[in-house]
Amino acid sequence: DAGVIQSPRHEVTEMGQEVTLRCKPISGHDYLFWYRQTMMRGLELLIYFNNNVPIDDSGMPEDRFSAKMPNASFSTLKIQPSEPRDSAVYFCASSPTHGYSYEQYFGPGTRLTVT
Amino acid sequence: DAKTTQPPSMDCAEGRAANLPCNHSTISGNEYVYWYRQIHSQGPQYIIHGLKNNETNEMASLIITEDRKSSTLILPHATLRDTAVYYCIGPGGTSYGKLTFGQGTILTVHP
Repeated sequence: DAGVIQSPRHEVTEMGQEVTLRCKPISGHDYLFWYRQTMMRGLELLIYFNNNVPIDDSGMPEDRFSAKMPNASFSTLKIQPSEPRDSAVYFCASSPTHGYSYEQYFGPGTRLTVT
Repeated sequence: DAKTTQPPSMDCAEGRAANLPCNHSTISGNEYVYWYRQIHSQGPQYIIHGLKNNETNEMASLIITEDRKSSTLILPHATLRDTAVYYCIGPGGTSYGKLTFGQGTILTVHP
């Protein structure tokens, strides 16, 4: 199994530009999570999906952030417009359904730098 | 907020057992304890979880006290590659499929 795949691994962009992060979850997993990690705030959950439906987006910082999951094998996290404070490592994770399973499998992350 | 307490850092000699404690005194009867670790520049990795019985897998052992107010993650023979941040997730840290990570314990394994 290839595990959770994220792209790109590194992204450098200028303030005001649109950024799209991509994630392919593990096949057969029903849950997909987007996290953000910074030194100041640690690892934060932004949003998660169950069966492609957004369940909780309370962690999304503001309207500049949006996430979609058009099908079971693909999700995007978009930031428009980007700001320097969005610089962080963004992780995608997926988990299978066993009731509420908290065994989440994380991707390698996308390191975003906004200048 | 996640209601677990872990030491901010620990050291361990290579080849020795690493025992990482976690206090979760407010845990309720049906709440599990989960352990993850994050090696530098990688995503978090699931290690093990338990409810009240001790658990063991190929990565580690989890010892939970009888009153369930604390637990210890044991890496029986630590290697340099076990250097990582270890997160204990307990009461308040698991909800409707979501995980809330605290600050964790930085474990440094030295030669």
